[in-house]
Amino acid sequence: NAGVTQTPKFRVLKTGQSMTLLCAQDMNHEYMYWYRQDPGMGLRLIHYSVGEGTTAKGEVPDGYNVSRLKKQNFLLGLESAAPSQTSVYFCASSYHRDRVYTNEKLFFGSGTQLSVL
Amino acid sequence: SQQGEEDPQALSIQEGENATMNCSYKTSINNLQWYRQNSGRGLVHLILIRSNEREKHSGRLRVTLDTSKKSSSLLITASRAADTASYFCAMKTSYDKVIFGPGTSLSVIP
Repeated sequence: NAGVTQTPKFRVLKTGQSMTLLCAQDMNHEYMYWYRQDPGMGLRLIHYSVGEGTTAKGEVPDGYNVSRLKKQNFLLGLESAAPSQTSVYFCASSYHRDRVYTNEKLFFGSGTQLSVL
Repeated sequence: SQQGEEDPQALSIQEGENATMNCSYKTSINNLQWYRQNSGRGLVHLILIRSNEREKHSGRLRVTLDTSKKSSSLLITASRAADTASYFCAMKTSYDKVIFGPGTSLSVIP
């Protein structure tokens, strides 16, 4: 049982390049979230999804796109990377339909360190 | 921003002392959760309190919630060096968003 897996763990991009971060969970969770963490800012919600085929904007969605084509995967895309997107990105999942009393807490991946030069 | 506010930003205590962290938020919530992050790692869930609850305990953790003041506190009793980490409150809103506060950095000195 791997939990939440993020790939890649590290990436360096040049300004203007594109890339996709992959988040995969094997807990059959309905909800998935993408956050970015910057020093002194805590975690800020980029986009989230409450089920397969659905996505919604968070606090800081500009410059990012997401897709949830399969329940277990949540992809975060940067179409044209900017230095301001240098950050650590965390994916999280929660909510199993059959486990009502434990379904509120978020399970986190180990993060992706992204540097945009 | 819907982000919560946490204070203090940093806290340094001696082993064995109690540590108290506070969280305030702006919007209505369904529940409030506390998470811990060791340096460079992912976040780990500590405790959850629902909007209709006022206090909850889990081991050495005690959480309170005052929805009229839109605030919560996390108390860690009899702190240990291993409690050194960053602690974050997280608010689940009515649209299933989970919004985090900026965190409190706790240092427990042996």
